[in-house]
Amino acid sequence: EIVLTQSPGILSLSPGERATLSCRASHNVSTNYVTWYQQKPGQRPRLLIYGASRRAPGIPDRFSGTGSGTDFSLTISRLEPEDFAVYYCQQCGTSPPWTFGQGTKVEIK
Amino acid sequence: VQLQESGPGVVKPSETLSLTCSVSGGSISGYYWSWIRQTPGKGLEWIGYVYYSGTTNYNPSLQSRVTISLDTSKNQVSLKLRSVTAADTAVFFCARSAPLSFFNSLDVWGPGTPVTVSS
Repeated sequence: EIVLTQSPGILSLSPGERATLSCRASHNVSTNYVTWYQQKPGQRPRLLIYGASRRAPGIPDRFSGTGSGTDFSLTISRLEPEDFAVYYCQQCGTSPPWTFGQGTKVEIK
Repeated sequence: VQLQESGPGVVKPSETLSLTCSVSGGSISGYYWSWIRQTPGKGLEWIGYVYYSGTTNYNPSLQSRVTISLDTSKNQVSLKLRSVTAADTAVFFCARSAPLSFFNSLDVWGPGTPVTVSS
């Protein structure tokens, strides 16, 4: 099983600032199968980035993903008020089980 | 496409948790259909999926207790989790994976349904 470790656990930033979230895998993950989700309280997760760097339909271009091997990251270039939420990475490769990171909470400073 | 989970909100310990995900506005064909649960302590946990062909794959940590199946005539996906304990208390989501267009990512989710295991 591939374990995903996200850091930091909590990121305290102000609107307009840049957010960089990290996701480290215990084993190599094919770039095609790294995904990022956003979840707000009481809501379902929302697909942001798939294939490590591809934005899902309707996702603003301030969200970007990058990485390869075991190290992946999600960047929000300029935080908008609606971006304060919890973000999860996931690997959904060809050999399940699919696993999630424990999440990074982006909160207003 | 929209997904909607349904089932009892409370299940007794040692009994079987049964949930249904109704798929509307789209076809089951061509996709993986997953169940995921979320707890405050363990975050998001993938339970397993059923492919539209009927092929299944389960999380090894739950494999001995879980069954996921499709009813294509009703456009529904079902989850059965046997011998539940308080540790199975969670919000359960169903979600769709598009293997070709989104590299297995979970692109559509239901709103989730909370289930409490309690006598």
